[in-house]
Amino acid sequence: SYVLTQPPSVSVAPGKTARITCGGDNIGSKSVHWYQQKPGQAPVLVIYSDSDRPSGIPERFSGSTSGNTATLTISRVEAGDEADYYCQVWDSSSDHLVFGTGTKVTVL
Amino acid sequence: QVQLVESGGGVVQPERSLRLACTASGFTFSSFAMHWVRQAPGKGLEWVAIISTDGINKYADSVKGRFTISRDNSKNILSLQMNSLRAEDTAVYFCARQSSPMTNYFDYWGQGTLVTVSS
Repeated sequence: SYVLTQPPSVSVAPGKTARITCGGDNIGSKSVHWYQQKPGQAPVLVIYSDSDRPSGIPERFSGSTSGNTATLTISRVEAGDEADYYCQVWDSSSDHLVFGTGTKVTVL
Repeated sequence: QVQLVESGGGVVQPERSLRLACTASGFTFSSFAMHWVRQAPGKGLEWVAIISTDGINKYADSVKGRFTISRDNSKNILSLQMNSLRAEDTAVYFCARQSSPMTNYFDYWGQGTLVTVSS
């Protein structure tokens, strides 16, 4: 089955840039989506189709993919960005939806 | 506005059954594929099942043969029938709307309902 691997945690100082990676076999050929989840809440879509932002999501959030890695970048990090982040793809070979292992972003 | 409200969670003994419901409002329910996603306590998100607009469904390997996803477009209700429950099925269960037929991401989620499988 298709596996998406994320670092368990990323720490970043306010105002700096956080980069969260999502590794998967030839992930660059898939459409990658990213969600933010705060404690006790449902996930919220922050990036879809690799690099598009839903309305209401700050421009500080951006996404990219290349080869075997997708990256969510949060620029000018704020305290409110502290959350868990998950990447997600659809694996057409198995007809299954797959989430990454999740990354906890801590704002120092 | 789009709303998804789950119900039916609770405590259930192993090997018993439980049925979850997700009541949708604020959009044309029949026009969207719908999913169930779960999250075990302290763990990550796990996709459970999808039902398309024409009723075709697919399941995660972990629940295939035990869970059944269905929809009632006349009542705007998505359901998940869970049989032969196991301790590892303990999780918050979210329903989620797939944004469009040609994409496979979720633009709206419910707040979730907790299922605890324990004797």
